[in-house]
Amino acid sequence: EAEVAQSPRYKITEKSQAVAFWCDPISGHATLYWYRQILGQGPELLVQFQDESVVDDSQLPKDRFSAERLKGVDSTLKIQPAELGDSAMYLCASSPTQAGGYNEQFFGPGTRLTVL
Amino acid sequence: GDSVTQMEGPVTLSEEAFLTINCTYTATGYPSLFWYVQYPGEGLQLLLKATKADDKGSNKGFEATYRKETTSFHLEKGSVQVSDSAVYFCALGHFGNEKLTFGTGTRLTIIP
Repeated sequence: EAEVAQSPRYKITEKSQAVAFWCDPISGHATLYWYRQILGQGPELLVQFQDESVVDDSQLPKDRFSAERLKGVDSTLKIQPAELGDSAMYLCASSPTQAGGYNEQFFGPGTRLTVL
Repeated sequence: GDSVTQMEGPVTLSEEAFLTINCTYTATGYPSLFWYVQYPGEGLQLLLKATKADDKGSNKGFEATYRKETTSFHLEKGSVQVSDSAVYFCALGHFGNEKLTFGTGTRLTIIP
């Protein structure tokens, strides 16, 4: 069964350092999402891609976060510099684009970031 | 803007007990409603969904009915098992813009 892949699964870094997370969506899925899940809270959307284009990045802290999906397939989310408050689970999801119905999102296992 | 409110946890039940996890929402238009489940160390999995008023979503013995008049989508199961222990998230999305708005999650623990 096809799955969304994410790496690394765990990352520990010191504040002010740069970190990067990678996501490989299910093959053929045009839409890709990055969510941030703070401990004890629900996921919140950071950025949404349709193919290689950003559809929604209204909640992305653009002074330190960046995201790209250059070829419309896999994606990288970067934080520079990391702050203590960035400690969270970063979830990637993908969905197909099919007319006539709601397109289910499939989630990867997430990357748990700890900033010291 | 859209928002989802879930009953606060954690919830602890004995095996074979009846489960209800409350979920209410605020949204413009006619959203689709979802329950996702997150098992330890794993990503979110879609448990069930409903796309219009009075629809009932069901899966693995869980059910939820889309109640537009009370803006609710409560999750129920008649007889829980230890394997149901997980965190459950209520969420909503809109057709044509499928980003999801999640509740805070409810941790469920089932004891034998």
